[in-house]
Amino acid sequence: AQSVAQPEDQVNVAEGNPLTVKCTYSVSGNPYLFWYVQYPNRGLQFLLKYITGDNLVKGSYGFEAEFNKSQTSFHLKKPSALVSDSALYFCAVRDMDSNYQLIWGAGTKLIIKP
Amino acid sequence: EAGVAQSPRYKIIEKRQSVAFWCNPISGHATLYWYQQILGQGPKLLIQFQNNGVVDDSQLPKDRFSAERLKGVDSTLKIQPAKLEDSAVYLCASSLSQGPYNEQFFGPGTRLTVL
Repeated sequence: AQSVAQPEDQVNVAEGNPLTVKCTYSVSGNPYLFWYVQYPNRGLQFLLKYITGDNLVKGSYGFEAEFNKSQTSFHLKKPSALVSDSALYFCAVRDMDSNYQLIWGAGTKLIIKP
Repeated sequence: EAGVAQSPRYKIIEKRQSVAFWCNPISGHATLYWYQQILGQGPKLLIQFQNNGVVDDSQLPKDRFSAERLKGVDSTLKIQPAKLEDSAVYLCASSLSQGPYNEQFFGPGTRLTVL
């Protein structure tokens, strides 16, 4: 069955340091991968997606993610964290076996400390 | 470009009462989704519309939940009667089409508290 794992409930990073939020997935077909961010009391905002092509995808607010097919991972990264990046981050995947419905991870709370 | 609009933002009701949520998607978006998000979890799809037709409602508790998108634009989600476990944030999202590569755009959500 299709699934998405975000192994860390929370990630703590000092402002200015690089950050990584991990995501691994399990699908039988070709994956379409997405990252969303959720700020307190707000809806989800799309950050970036991988459909095909270059394994390094660049998105909003300076974020990027690397698709690794052999490790079935799609980790979210940013070279230099800002306090304003503190939020809840969700990884999601869809493939034909899920009828292209989004399968969501449980979310990772990112805390950036000044 | 205006985003997805939802109302109300907050609602508190007693169990067994009914409640309705409204969603206006981004103009031109054919696909509309309703999700339920319980605190600390990822969103759970309740129903997906393509224009005014239902594509997927397999996880909609049809004994108490209903949804419609009569003219292929606005949508309403209703719960009748509400249970304590329905306390959650209800998110509406839209996308250009139901193609797998299209990202979804979310509204701010309605936070429902059932007492």
